[in-house]
Amino acid sequence: AQRVTQPEKLLSVFKGAPVELKCNYSYSGSPELFWYVQYSRQRLQLLLRHISRESIKGFTADLNKGETSFHLKKPFAQEEDSAMYYCALSGRGQGAQKLVFGQGTRLTINP
Amino acid sequence: GAVVSQHPSRVICKSGTSVKIECRSLDFQATTMFWYRQFPKQSLMLMATSNEGSKATYEQGVEKDKFLINHASLTLSTLTVTSAHPEDSSFYICSASPLAGVRETQYFGPGTRLLVL
Repeated sequence: AQRVTQPEKLLSVFKGAPVELKCNYSYSGSPELFWYVQYSRQRLQLLLRHISRESIKGFTADLNKGETSFHLKKPFAQEEDSAMYYCALSGRGQGAQKLVFGQGTRLTINP
Repeated sequence: GAVVSQHPSRVICKSGTSVKIECRSLDFQATTMFWYRQFPKQSLMLMATSNEGSKATYEQGVEKDKFLINHASLTLSTLTVTSAHPEDSSFYICSASPLAGVRETQYFGPGTRLLVL
């Protein structure tokens, strides 16, 4: 079964501190992993995907197949990072694939 | 670019009535659109996958006769909640995958809040 687990519903860190949002998954195959972010009163938007191997807004995420994890990290948190973060996975294939979302983690950056 | 709109943004209806929600890709064509449901303080749950010109694929436990999906063009998919009941009250979100470009990417609409009295 496809499953995404985000163990922390809430995460609060101080500005300038490192932040890590945890995500573990279970999938019988080679998944694609994503992090989506939802800022206050805005729609869900893609933050990054593992296949791109890029850093967006200072965030990075590495796919660890051995631990089946895709944790999101940022070395120095900023107040504008406060948002709801969702980890998601999809199968690989031609074209659009359905997404399975984790429960989400609400990140609050304290000044 | 890659904007998805939903209409209406909010709807209140009486129990037993039907409600139609539209999802439009404004500046791109989408062969595939997805419909999600989100309960308060919970994650998005996929309801169905909508493909242009064909029948939607529903997730397990989603009643296809209750949630009618029509994807008549490459820029429009509609979700009709038939004979709505209070337990159908929720936040409905659609997403669209572009025909061209990175097809695995989904662009999300702003959501429609449905309240059934």
